[in-house]
Amino acid sequence: GAGVSQSPRYKVAKRGQDVALRCDPISGHVSLFWYQQALGQGPEFLTYFQNEAQLDKSGLPSDRFFAERPEGSVSTLKIQRTQQEDSAVYLCASSLVSGGHSTDTQYFGPGTRLTVL
Amino acid sequence: GQNIDQPTEMTATEGAIVQINCTYQTSGFNGLFWYQQHAGEAPTFLSYNVLDGLEEKGRFSSFLSRSKGYSYLLLKELQMKDSASYLCAVLDSNYQLIWGAGTKLIIKP
Repeated sequence: GAGVSQSPRYKVAKRGQDVALRCDPISGHVSLFWYQQALGQGPEFLTYFQNEAQLDKSGLPSDRFFAERPEGSVSTLKIQRTQQEDSAVYLCASSLVSGGHSTDTQYFGPGTRLTVL
Repeated sequence: GQNIDQPTEMTATEGAIVQINCTYQTSGFNGLFWYQQHAGEAPTFLSYNVLDGLEEKGRFSSFLSRSKGYSYLLLKELQMKDSASYLCAVLDSNYQLIWGAGTKLIIKP
């Protein structure tokens, strides 16, 4: 079946430009996560949704970062006034189980590689 | 603070066995995951351990010792396609995944 998909796969932005990154989770998956992965590093947690509710946004690095999942399926991560330090791969993951406390496996999308010039 | 340590890079020979270690210090523990990530691709799930001991799954096995804050991933009969980064991640007390930086495994013929 279809896995997690993300678009665009690559995005080049000029410093100060706004960007929007899209994530389509696996159908029926309740939980959705966004991560930021710098080159040669592990993913860093950004935010977590359970259906349409954003339950944890403690990892968002600044108020320029905003995420939404209005209908509990597709999610968008928006970065306003991009800076060079925002350059990274942005990974989206989804998991099936509902409930805030879950050990359920997260399935990852291919990521969006953002380069800010 | 929370910390996950794993070697940056390892090299092994095709057909051999390699063990990738991971040590962790986290606020709480709700399990440890190993993921494989090929360059430019998404991490893919390999294993999940929450109880002490060895879990075997084909050519891959994962071991956990909670008292030592230690895990390892054992890969047998190495194949060239096993060249990838291997990420250790711990689910902390808030059920948030804390990730190591990954171990880049290079397989030589």
